[in-house]
Amino acid sequence: LAKTTQPISMDSYEGQEVNITCSHNNIATNDYITWYQQFPSQGPRFIIQGYKTKVTNEVASLFIPADRKSSTLSLPRVSLSDTAVYYCLVGDDTGGFKTIFGAGTRLFVKA
Amino acid sequence: EAQVTQNPRYLITVTGKKLTVTCSQNMNHEYMSWYRQDPGLGLRQIYYSMNVEVTDKGDVPEGYKVSRKEKRNFPLILESPSPNQTSLYFCASSLPWEGRVDTQYFGPGTRLTVL
Repeated sequence: LAKTTQPISMDSYEGQEVNITCSHNNIATNDYITWYQQFPSQGPRFIIQGYKTKVTNEVASLFIPADRKSSTLSLPRVSLSDTAVYYCLVGDDTGGFKTIFGAGTRLFVKA
Repeated sequence: EAQVTQNPRYLITVTGKKLTVTCSQNMNHEYMSWYRQDPGLGLRQIYYSMNVEVTDKGDVPEGYKVSRKEKRNFPLILESPSPNQTSLYFCASSLPWEGRVDTQYFGPGTRLTVL
């Protein structure tokens, strides 16, 4: 199973850009990278997904280098409400359909 | 509104008393899954289902059963709950795409306490 590695925690201040990098050295050729956000006692919520290069939506950007062994979630101008745990996921490289969540990155945004 | 619903949201029970947590989705998704979340251990997959009558084990299936008789429903069954199954449970669904699990939509969670 493809595994991901992220920083355990990060601190930021309101209005700053936050970049969270995820390492996924064994990502499968046809696999996508998906990021989720989770608030306490709520289910994870989809943020963004990408395969290569750069993807941008209304809440975040995702940067994926050519070798696809890592990805960086970029949150522009964070606010207090962005305090959450962020998970990066890749697929099951054994050809199955398991989902493995890593430990995630706990982002704390300060005023 | 597209959603995944779980019931009950909160449950306190006693050891050995069989219980079922229901999960239903209205998005016609083929893939459904159950997770448990414990402090310090993150989200761990219990079981998943690729379609009706097709289920498979996740990473922590011991002590749980599931069934998928209809596309929209995926109940989680604890035949004989034990205190170590006290946890926050999430159901999720997804529409598989190109042979992989795509974006998953999560329910609101069920907080289970087994005394």
